[in-house]
Amino acid sequence: QQQVKQSPQSLIVQKGGISIINCAYENTAFDYFPWYQQFPGKGPALLIAIRPDVSEKKEGRFTISFNKSAKQFSLHIMDSQPGDSATYFCAAVKNTGNQFYFGTGTSLTVIP
Amino acid sequence: DAGITQSPRHKVTETGTPVTLRCHQTENHRYMYWYRQDPGHGLRLIHYSYGVKDTDKGEVSDGYSVSRSKTEDFLLTLESATSSQTSVYFCAISDTGQGRVWYTFGSGTRLTVV
Repeated sequence: QQQVKQSPQSLIVQKGGISIINCAYENTAFDYFPWYQQFPGKGPALLIAIRPDVSEKKEGRFTISFNKSAKQFSLHIMDSQPGDSATYFCAAVKNTGNQFYFGTGTSLTVIP
Repeated sequence: DAGITQSPRHKVTETGTPVTLRCHQTENHRYMYWYRQDPGHGLRLIHYSYGVKDTDKGEVSDGYSVSRSKTEDFLLTLESATSSQTSVYFCAISDTGQGRVWYTFGSGTRLTVV
């Protein structure tokens, strides 16, 4: 059973637009929810993360919105830039046992 | 990549041959992981290790074995490579701090089985 479902699989956005990637999780026992950013030829790197007792986390142009009752969270990229073009993975983490559950990834392309 | 080195970066091998990928870390982390990344499947856990000689299977472990004889090295072996094992392989370590666990990934090994 896939613990984290991510959509869309791919996304094309104009420069300056808002990119939105959505994730939904099954289990309610997760401790936090990170997003990873991956550029071609590189490994995924931690971008931003949120705890389940917080509804929103903002770092620069990147914002996580978290809806605990709906078991959903999303990444918003404001003023999207061509340099944001990458693959984005959401994840749900249980600290106990270092258990990570990744979404299937979203390939974002920002058109100049 | 935070002290994680994967080797080789690229490899082409023939069906039926054994292949070993190496992950080396310099920061004495206890937990190490091997993932494979495929389009439409994201990152899938192959095996992980929670200490020297302590390993366990992930969700896609068939056809793979691992060994960890030293804290810094985690080896992934494809016992008899098949075309379905063509993929990009990532090693990761986990670290803790500020009440949470996070991953750091290596740069990956692109393996092609012909």
